[in-house]
Amino acid sequence: NAGVTQTPKFQVLKTGQSMTLQCAQDMNHNSMYWYRQDPGMGLRLIYYSASEGTTDKGEVPNGYNVSRLNKREFSLRLESAAPSQTSVYFCASSEARREPYNEQFFGPGTRLTVL
Amino acid sequence: DAKTTQPPSMDCAEGRAANLPCNHSTISGNEYVYWYRQIHSQGPQYIIHGLKNNETNEMASLIITEDRKSSTLILPHATLRDTAVYYCIVRGGKLIFGQGTELSVKP
Repeated sequence: NAGVTQTPKFQVLKTGQSMTLQCAQDMNHNSMYWYRQDPGMGLRLIYYSASEGTTDKGEVPNGYNVSRLNKREFSLRLESAAPSQTSVYFCASSEARREPYNEQFFGPGTRLTVL
Repeated sequence: DAKTTQPPSMDCAEGRAANLPCNHSTISGNEYVYWYRQIHSQGPQYIIHGLKNNETNEMASLIITEDRKSSTLILPHATLRDTAVYYCIVRGGKLIFGQGTELSVKP
């Protein structure tokens, strides 16, 4: 099993360009998440999808859109990139939707720079 | 979700136990304590979680005080590969990552 995979690993954009970050998991998990991590900071939740067909906003959703394409795939789109969106983006998935057990499995991250 | 407080950094000698504290004085009765770690440039990795009782798995032990206002993650025999940022998260809903503790294991 590959676990959680993300593409691309690195990306440089110019201000105003758009792009989609791809995430896929092969663990048959119900829930998927997108986080961003700025230098020296913890992770902040952008959007999550508790199950196929549903998405909800996290702490910092502005400037992003998401699509839960199917149970395996959850994409994050930047419609008009801004320098403030320079960050490392992590995708994660988990089996359970509620406590008590909700271990999240993380992908390797996408390092995005917006000039 | 309750707020957590962790020391920003700690050192530990290789082979010794690493004890990482976390304060969560506003924790409510149904909130679990989770620990994750993040090795440089990688995605976070789940370590352990608990509600009231002490927990142990192949990676670590979690000691939660009786009043549940604080906890300690114990890595019994730290190795150089345990150098990472450790996050203590009190969760009733979504995972909220704070700044964590940067643990440096030294030879």
